[in-house]
Amino acid sequence: QVQLQESGPGLVKPSQTLSLTCTVSGGSISSGGYYWSWIRQHPGKGLEWIGYIYDSGSTHYNPSLKSRVTISVDTSKNQFSLKLNSVTAADTAVYYCARDKGVHYDFWSDPIGYYGMDVWGQGTTVTVSS
Amino acid sequence: QSALTQPASVSGSPGQSITISCTGTSSDVGAYNYVSWYQQHPGKAPKLMIFDVSNRPSGVSNRFSGSKSGNTASLTISGLQAEDEAVYYCSSYTSSVVVFGGGTKLTVL
Repeated sequence: QVQLQESGPGLVKPSQTLSLTCTVSGGSISSGGYYWSWIRQHPGKGLEWIGYIYDSGSTHYNPSLKSRVTISVDTSKNQFSLKLNSVTAADTAVYYCARDKGVHYDFWSDPIGYYGMDVWGQGTTVTVSS
Repeated sequence: QSALTQPASVSGSPGQSITISCTGTSSDVGAYNYVSWYQQHPGKAPKLMIFDVSNRPSGVSNRFSGSKSGNTASLTISGLQAEDEAVYYCSSYTSSVVVFGGGTKLTVL
């Protein structure tokens, strides 16, 4: 079965760029039809969606983070990545990657539902501090 | 996109049923059947429990059920068990954006 694993620095200095990678195992990131997603959770708080990259390469981001976020995919390594620039202490959080199965359609190609995020990584803690 | 509104906490005794509400707007929860529910135990990643308002992924107990009325979605857990104690998040997908609720802490007394 598909598994996801986040990796990257656990400590980032203020104003620098946070860079994380999610490695997909047990399946191909190019298999199609999935939204490869990033979600974060501030200490003791709820979930915050960051964004996703669709297998066509198109991206969608949380409007509140859009100006600082880039999500990309490397199909040769079966990985997708998150870059968040100009970080501050407010970006300290546990960062999760997830596979989102996205919208599904009926016989006439009309959207009828949304599958949700069915596979998650274990999460990685990133602290922003000097 | 504003976060969806959930009660901060609910509680119930083993064997009882509880319901967690998730209130959005006519632009998100009320507009489509794109509501999902996630369970998160302390220190663990969230787990998908319900999608399409009321569908369960394979392997999720049928004690978990979902519904929607207007702009409010609900998650019902019947036959409460100690292992159900966790934080539950609702989520809505609208216009290519995902929004989560603030989370509800379920305590099994």
